[in-house]
Amino acid sequence: QQQVKQSPQSLIVQKGGISIINCAYENTAFDYFPWYQQFPGKGPALLIAIRPDVSEKKEGRFTISFNKSAKQFSLHIMDSQPGDSATYFCAASFLGSGTYKYIFGTGTRLKVLA
Amino acid sequence: DAGITQSPRHKVTETGTPVTLRCHQTENHRYMYWYRQDPGHGLRLIHYSYGVKDTDKGEVSDGYSVSRSKTEDFLLTLESATSSQTSVYFCASERTGGTEAFFGQGTRLTVV
Repeated sequence: QQQVKQSPQSLIVQKGGISIINCAYENTAFDYFPWYQQFPGKGPALLIAIRPDVSEKKEGRFTISFNKSAKQFSLHIMDSQPGDSATYFCAASFLGSGTYKYIFGTGTRLKVLA
Repeated sequence: DAGITQSPRHKVTETGTPVTLRCHQTENHRYMYWYRQDPGHGLRLIHYSYGVKDTDKGEVSDGYSVSRSKTEDFLLTLESATSSQTSVYFCASERTGGTEAFFGQGTRLTVV
């Protein structure tokens, strides 16, 4: 019930294309849905996040689409660039036992071809 | 970037030995987390802390213990290291829950 399922595991996109990564969850107590970007040898860094009271959030080329009824959310990277090549993690956070915890998806390795 | 550092960055240890990893943050964040990252598993929560001396278990806590005696330091101890604990360990901190967690650079631990 606390799992976050992420797909695909890996993704190859041509430069200028759209990258789409999907996540699904079961626990309706989740109330914060961030996406993290991780480059090799580095720690994950927050890319963009959404709360369930909105259906979409856009920051530059990055958009989160959120479907509360389907319990799904996705990351869209428009005009993908080689510099976007990284591993992307979706996550969900909830207040449980008086404190917040994050549950992460298994990650998507994105490669953008020049 | 938030001031969060992990030490050591790399460590090789023998099976059966105790190992302690350190996480230090300078942001006065209340929440701190320890994760392990393994291929195909993403980031899995080991333990977390929501204040000094306040800690709780995550989803993969067996074989690990933590301590937080000061706001800025969160220690992860492998009581008796096993080969299955070979992994990359990440510490993270957060000012308040459900906002933004900042991650350290990671510690690559190899148990031989």
